[in-house]
Amino acid sequence: EIVLTQSPTTIGASPGEKVTITCRATSSVSYIYWYQQKPGASPKPWIYDTSKLASGVPNRFSGSGSGTSYSLTINTMETEDAATYYCQQWSSSPWTFGGGTKLELK
Amino acid sequence: EVQLVESGGGLVQPGRSLKVSCAASGFTFSNYAMHWLRQVPTKGLEWVASISPSGGGTYYRDSVKGRFTISRHNAISTLYLQMDSLRSEDTATYYCATHSELGFDYWGQGVMVTGSS
Repeated sequence: EIVLTQSPTTIGASPGEKVTITCRATSSVSYIYWYQQKPGASPKPWIYDTSKLASGVPNRFSGSGSGTSYSLTINTMETEDAATYYCQQWSSSPWTFGGGTKLELK
Repeated sequence: EVQLVESGGGLVQPGRSLKVSCAASGFTFSNYAMHWLRQVPTKGLEWVASISPSGGGTYYRDSVKGRFTISRHNAISTLYLQMDSLRSEDTATYYCATHSELGFDYWGQGVMVTGSS
């Protein structure tokens, strides 16, 4: 099973700040997928195929990486970005998720 | 508009059974593979099981293999998860979901299953 480890587990950011969340895999994966989840809601697809933004996702978000190391970056933090972000891989069954990164507004 | 609505959750004693359902609408259900995922506050998200569009192919995570059964009834656009021999570690919010190039793209609102005496 491919284990995905996200860091940090929690991060606080002020509006306008740059934020980077990393996702490391125990084996190489072809792509990483990112989801955003807000309290009381279901996860939403956010970034797919490592770097493509889902419909409606602001372009201050970006994704990058390859092999075993991936990241999600927010160029300038906004209030609405406070949420938990999960990475996920489809390369090898069982499909696995990272433990999540809670992004809080400072 | 795609809608997935889970139902049937509840409190179940360890060792007993529970069946949850997912009513789908807004898309041609019989054309799509479907999935069950679960979320435990302390453990994050887990993929549980998947089923092919026809229902002929089913796939499970190791920890539920032999205890859980995923099935579907395409005529009424409904997905099921039969959970037998429930354990306390199966306690979670269960989501049904579709997938596309975006990953797991549409999710239901989730249904809570609690395995506890």
